[in-house]
Amino acid sequence: AQSVTQLGSHVSVSEGALVLLRCNYSSSVPPYLFWYVQYPNQGLQLLLKYTSAATLVKGINGFEAEFKKSETSFHLTKPSAHMSDAAEYFCAVSVSTASKLTFGTGTRLQVTL
Amino acid sequence: NAGVMQNPRHLVRRRGQEARLRCSPMKGHSHVYWYRQLPEEGLKFMVYLQKENIIDESGMPKERFSAEFPKEGPSILRIQQVVRGDSAAYFCASSPVVPSYNEQFFGPGTRLTVL
Repeated sequence: AQSVTQLGSHVSVSEGALVLLRCNYSSSVPPYLFWYVQYPNQGLQLLLKYTSAATLVKGINGFEAEFKKSETSFHLTKPSAHMSDAAEYFCAVSVSTASKLTFGTGTRLQVTL
Repeated sequence: NAGVMQNPRHLVRRRGQEARLRCSPMKGHSHVYWYRQLPEEGLKFMVYLQKENIIDESGMPKERFSAEFPKEGPSILRIQQVVRGDSAAYFCASSPVVPSYNEQFFGPGTRLTVL
């Protein structure tokens, strides 16, 4: 069975500061890993995905994530936060190309002036 | 190319009534997933369907909940005799006929309120 742990249910950063959202996974087989963003009262939008092609994955809106097998981590980063980044972020794992996604509990990102 | 469509966006039911949630996948997608998001929680998998087949229903409650994805028309998530604990956002996601890395595209969700 697979699982995801997101450390920190709420993260607050200043505009222009580094964004770091943490995700650790557990999987018995090589995983597919995803980061999704959810704005209030909306669905989920895919930010980026890890598919074993490269350990550093670049996504939309300036976000990137690094897959570290030794640490079973897939942390999301952005060098400079923008007010529009305020949203809820979910890390997810799956174990095959056609199967359920298992989500973490989410991290709410607040961006302050 | 239209995205995943869900309707209604908001649904209010009284305890004991039935709720029907509809999901039209993206064009060319034949895999549909349903997830439930309870207030202040992450998304929980419910069921995975392909046309006319339930592939994985390990996340579905044993009673009152059912899902289908007919040959023609949208996928339907049906909740019979709703209770207050069913109040949640229900999201549908779809992926292509030949899934690429299990990338799932999400709809806007249906927010169910049970009075």
